[in-house]
Amino acid sequence: QQQVKQSPQSLIVQKGGISIINCAYENTAFDYFPWYQQFPGKGPALLIAIRPDVSEKKEGRFTISFNKSAKQFSLHIMDSQPGDSATYFCAARGYQGAQKLVFGQGTRLTINP
Amino acid sequence: ETGVTQTPRHLVMGMTNKKSLKCEQHLGHNAMYWYKQSAKKPLELMFVYSLEERVENNSVPSRFSPECPNSSHLFLHLHTLQPEDSALYLCASSQDQTSGHTGELFFGEGSRLTVL
Repeated sequence: QQQVKQSPQSLIVQKGGISIINCAYENTAFDYFPWYQQFPGKGPALLIAIRPDVSEKKEGRFTISFNKSAKQFSLHIMDSQPGDSATYFCAARGYQGAQKLVFGQGTRLTINP
Repeated sequence: ETGVTQTPRHLVMGMTNKKSLKCEQHLGHNAMYWYKQSAKKPLELMFVYSLEERVENNSVPSRFSPECPNSSHLFLHLHTLQPEDSALYLCASSQDQTSGHTGELFFGEGSRLTVL
């Protein structure tokens, strides 16, 4: 029940295309859903996050779509660029206080020029 | 120095060695974390310290021993490790959400550990 399932494991998209990464969860107590971006040799960094009271959040080319009833959320990257090539992790948080995030397995995204 | 700094960046050790990983955060946060990152697996939370008290220990083997002497420093002491412990160990910090912050995690660049 604490798992977050992420797909696909790897994704190749042409420059200018739309990249879509999906995540699903079981625990209805999760109240915060961030996406982290990790470049090789670097630690993950927060990209965008959403709370379950909204269905969509957009920041520049990055959009989270959230479906509370289906317990699914996804990251869309519009006009994908080679600089977006990285590993993306979805996550979910279960309680307040010290941050306890449950992470998905990660998606390695490659944007071909 | 800014953000979260981890040393060493790379460490190779034998199974009988004792070594330590160090993490320092310069963000004024009050919580610090150790995560383990292995290939094709989710990030695994190992330990959480909030206000210098350990509040989470995710069934981590005793060969990993954390230490948090103050809110800016976190150590992971390693002893009698196994080859399957080879991984990237990530330190992170955050500000407690109960004070109105988002609780965003800030990660260091990690310490790549290889156990021979």
